[in-house]
Amino acid sequence: AQSVTQPDIHITVSEGASLELRCNYSYGATPYLFWYVQSPGQGLQLLLKYFSGDTLVQGIKGFEAEFKRSQSSFNLRKPSVHWSDAAEYFCAVGARSNDYKLSFGAGTTVTVRA
Amino acid sequence: NAGVTQTPKFRVLKTGQSMTLLCAQDMNHEYMYWYRQDPGMGLRLIHYSVGEGTTAKGEVPDGYNVSRLKKQNFLLGLESAAPSQTSVYFCASSQASGLAGNTDTQYFGPGTRLTVL
Repeated sequence: AQSVTQPDIHITVSEGASLELRCNYSYGATPYLFWYVQSPGQGLQLLLKYFSGDTLVQGIKGFEAEFKRSQSSFNLRKPSVHWSDAAEYFCAVGARSNDYKLSFGAGTTVTVRA
Repeated sequence: NAGVTQTPKFRVLKTGQSMTLLCAQDMNHEYMYWYRQDPGMGLRLIHYSVGEGTTAKGEVPDGYNVSRLKKQNFLLGLESAAPSQTSVYFCASSQASGLAGNTDTQYFGPGTRLTVL
């Protein structure tokens, strides 16, 4: 079975500071990994994804994530946070062999202070 | 393209009432999914479909039924609503080509907020 753990429920960061959100996954084979963002009252928007190849992936809005197989992690980073980055972030894992079904983490809420 | 749309956006039901949530996608995607989102639990898969006329159970299927009579539509039904089904429901779709890229990614609708009293 596949599963995702996001250890941090809530993170507060100052505008302009760096941000790192942690994600650990459990899956027997090579997973597909995703980060989605959800602004209040909105649906989920894809930030970035990893399928194969380069383990450092670039996404939208200046985000990047690094796949580390040895640590079963897919942490999301942004060098300089903007107030508009305040949202809830979800890490998800899926696999072609599992009908592409996604398992989501519980989410990390990011608060940006001025 | 409208992408993935969901109808209605909000709904309040009384315990025991029934309703159907409609999801429509105009991207010609084969795969469609229904999730529910509850605080502190992320999104959990209710049912999904890998093509027109097919459905399969997800992680939390009890109390829900689905149908995929047309490729572009995926309906989620609650036959007898319970307060435990108060949640935000999201539909998603993806095109599984077997090749990684812009396919194999789920695109989400805006959600339906359902309250069962």
